[in-house]
Amino acid sequence: NAGVTQTPKFQVLKTGQSMTLQCAQDMNHEYMSWYRQDPGMGLRLIHYSVGAGITDQGEVPNGYNVSRSTTEDFPLRLLSAAPSQTSVYFCASSRTRQDNQPQHFGDGTRLSIL
Amino acid sequence: GENVEQHPSTLSVQEGDSAVIKCTYSDSASNYFPWYKQELGKRPQLIIDIRSNVGEKKDQRIAVTLNKTAKHFSLHITETQPEDSAVYFCAASIWIQGAQKLVFGQGTRLTINP
Repeated sequence: NAGVTQTPKFQVLKTGQSMTLQCAQDMNHEYMSWYRQDPGMGLRLIHYSVGAGITDQGEVPNGYNVSRSTTEDFPLRLLSAAPSQTSVYFCASSRTRQDNQPQHFGDGTRLSIL
Repeated sequence: GENVEQHPSTLSVQEGDSAVIKCTYSDSASNYFPWYKQELGKRPQLIIDIRSNVGEKKDQRIAVTLNKTAKHFSLHITETQPEDSAVYFCAASIWIQGAQKLVFGQGTRLTINP
């Protein structure tokens, strides 16, 4: 049971480049979300999804797009990378959208924008 | 929106002593309060959680207390061991329109001195 899998683990981009961070879970979780982690600021919610075809914005959505075409996958897209997006990105999933549930995190993607 | 404040930002205790980390939240509608432990370079991992209908929960050396009136909750670690050294995050969650909104504190770096 792999849980939540994120790829890549590390990435360096130049300002203005685009890329997609991949996230997949094999636990049949309905709820998936993306967070960014910056020093001294904890984890902040970027976007989330309560099921296939449904996405919504979190606390810091600007500069990021998401889609949820399947239950398993929830990719995060940076359309035009900026140095302010240098961060560690975590994908998380949880079992049901009917109540608060523990979230399971992936190993993270460490992204540097030059 | 919800705001979670976590104190202290760093904590150093002698092995065998107890450690206490405190969090306050602003939204009285929050009803789920998880605690995560994050070791260096690793994913956040859930160590204990509490729901708003419970005042205290314990799991071996770890306990969490919740005071809904004062809107604060605390993590207590007894008989600390070197492997307890990590960054700890509290979070508060509110369930809105079929979605879980999780807001994290800024984190506490706990160091256990042998």
